Amino acid sequence: NAGVTQTPKFQVLKTGQSMTLQCAQDMNHEYMSWYRQDPGMGLRLIHYSVGAGITDQGEVPNGYNVSRSTTEDFPLRLLSAAPSQTSVYFCASSSAQGSYGYTFGSGTRLTVV
Amino acid sequence: AQSVTQLDSQVPVFEEAPVELRCNYSSSVSVYLFWYVQYPNQGLQLLLKYLSGSTLVKGINGFEAEFNKSQTSFHLRKPSVHISDTAEYFCAVRSYSGAGSYQLTFGKGTKLSVIP
Repeated sequence: NAGVTQTPKFQVLKTGQSMTLQCAQDMNHEYMSWYRQDPGMGLRLIHYSVGAGITDQGEVPNGYNVSRSTTEDFPLRLLSAAPSQTSVYFCASSSAQGSYGYTFGSGTRLTVV
Repeated sequence: AQSVTQLDSQVPVFEEAPVELRCNYSSSVSVYLFWYVQYPNQGLQLLLKYLSGSTLVKGINGFEAEFNKSQTSFHLRKPSVHISDTAEYFCAVRSYSGAGSYQLTFGKGTKLSVIP
């Protein structure tokens, strides 16, 4: 099925560890983004990309790194995990204009202990 | 920067009663407006969107929303709710963020609880 695929679905990290959350889409969307969802906070934008080789920071970028080498993939890297990064992470993609809405992945639930 | 305010964090309503979930945003300059629904332990699903044209938009599952430019609002309504509508609802605004790119900004969500 076409859509946005996120892996893993669940992850437990120790403080200081690093990891990469994977996101892939097969809709040839130019725009991809990462959000984190915390109770009572809605979804907050971490990083986004408007095309291969182009990324920019969102509202809460600290502690995260991204790159976009292909149209399909947009991985999110946690450089040194902290308990404050315990959250549910969603990847989303859309066409350049966003006219058809944004398609979301099913999320990655990350716990940092 | 664009901001989105969902005025109610929780809304309890009896089954078959009408419901309105309120959303206000900070700027009316060329925005696209969306409502998403999130069922427990799932991702976000698009309910409806406003891009231009008619201010009343209809979405899936019997929901509709009305765009009011003067009040910068985009309230979501359903005339008769079902137990299956219990979920969290997010209002979102796509706005221009400069350098040819756009951002989608979310409200903090409204938890709708339908009471049998």
